Amino acid sequence: EAEVAQSPRYKITEKSQAVAFWCDPISGHATLYWYRQILGQGPELLVQFQDESVVDDSQLPKDRFSAERLKGVDSTLKIQPAELGDSAMYLCASSFDASWQNTGELFFGEGSRLTVL
Amino acid sequence: SQELEQSPQSLIVQEGKNLTINCTSSKTLYGLYWYKQKYGEGLIFLMMLQKGGEEKSHEKITAKLDEKKQQSSLHITASQPSHAGIYLCGAAFSSGTYKYIFGTGTRLKVLA
Repeated sequence: EAEVAQSPRYKITEKSQAVAFWCDPISGHATLYWYRQILGQGPELLVQFQDESVVDDSQLPKDRFSAERLKGVDSTLKIQPAELGDSAMYLCASSFDASWQNTGELFFGEGSRLTVL
Repeated sequence: SQELEQSPQSLIVQEGKNLTINCTSSKTLYGLYWYKQKYGEGLIFLMMLQKGGEEKSHEKITAKLDEKKQQSSLHITASQPSHAGIYLCGAAFSSGTYKYIFGTGTRLKVLA
C-alpha cells in the first residue's frame, strides 16, 4: 500500500541550529501539506503546495521557516534558526487534488518529532 | 484552529460505554472529515460527510453532519480500548484557494 514517507522520525537539536524535514508523498498526489502539531493541540497548517507552487503559507513563520517542492514531488521543510517553541510534531500529508470536488481524504506520514533544547 | 472547535477536549470512559464528540464550525462546511490519531503518529482517515443530514457508519463509529452543515458529531457505541486516541475533525475552507484545516482535537481514553 502506498504511503507518505517522512524523515527523520525524531530530531533533537539545540536552539539556533538549523533543521530540515523531508517528505515524499504518495505517487500522483498533486497536493502536499505540512502541518505542525504541538502536544495537546490539533494540527496547524504551515504550508500547502499544489504541484510545485505554494497555494497557502499564511501561517508559516517566514523569518525562520522555509518550504520547497522543487519538482512537484518530494518536499523539504527547513527551520533556521530553531527556537525552543518549535518543539512539535511536523506532519506531512498528501492528497490527489486540492480542488474541493476532489480533495477527499488526506494521507499522512508518521511525522517528524522535533525537540529543541 | 478557531474555525473548527471540538468538544469535549478530553474524555475518559469505561469500556462498553457510548460517547459523542462534537465539531462545530463558524462557517458552512462543504464537507467534514473525521480522523483518528494514535499518540505520536500520523492521522488515519475515518470518514467524510458532505451532504446536510448525512450519516455514515464504520464498525461502531457513526458520524453525522447537521442540516445546516455547521456541526458534526462522532458517536462511538460500546467503546473498546482500541478506540482510544485523539479524534480530529477536518474541513477545507476557501480563502482564494482551499485550505485544509483541523479542529482542536478530542483525546479519548477507554478504561478496561
